[in-house]
Amino acid sequence: AQSVTQPDIHITVSEGASLELRCNYSYGATPYLFWYVQSPGQGLQLLLKYFSGDTLVQGIKGFEAEFKRSQSSFNLRKPSVHWSDAAEYFCAVGAGNNDMRFGAGTRLTVKP
Amino acid sequence: DAGVTQSPTHLIKTRGQQVTLRCSPKSGHDTVSWYQQALGQGPQFIFQYYEEEERQRGNFPDRFSGHQFPNYSSELNVNALLLGDSALYLCASSLAGGEKLFFGSGTQLSVL
Repeated sequence: AQSVTQPDIHITVSEGASLELRCNYSYGATPYLFWYVQSPGQGLQLLLKYFSGDTLVQGIKGFEAEFKRSQSSFNLRKPSVHWSDAAEYFCAVGAGNNDMRFGAGTRLTVKP
Repeated sequence: DAGVTQSPTHLIKTRGQQVTLRCSPKSGHDTVSWYQQALGQGPQFIFQYYEEEERQRGNFPDRFSGHQFPNYSSELNVNALLLGDSALYLCASSLAGGEKLFFGSGTQLSVL
């Protein structure tokens, strides 16, 4: 069965510092992997996705993620965090747009 | 171009009642998926509609049902509400076979 684990419930970083959010997945085949961001009271916005090819994918807002099959991981990174990045981040796995499975999320707080 | 719109934004019901939530997909999209997001959790897949038929379903009881109309809009119905049904209900639209989901801002349902 497919599943996603986000080990960190809450992360606090200083503005300008680098960020890495962890995601581990379980999936029987080659997964489709996604990162979404959710601001309070809002729906989810897609940051980036991985289907195949280059294992380092670039997304919107300066985010990137690296697919590591050997570690079953798809960690999200940003070199310099801005205050506006404070939000909830969700990693998801699925096959296209069917039955996407989300992690429990990581809440990011940005200190001035 | 309007994105995914959901109504109402907030709803309060009592146990045992029935509720209907509505979703209009992004222009040009023909597939609608519904997710339940409990407080502090990631979204959980309820079901997906395409061509007015339920195409796939997650692990939710029959109390959860849906409908898709010829204009691709969709409704989510929940019967015999339980306290545990309190959650944010998210609608997402996409193109059939497409990998990118566009989410609405959700309907916050409170069951008292």
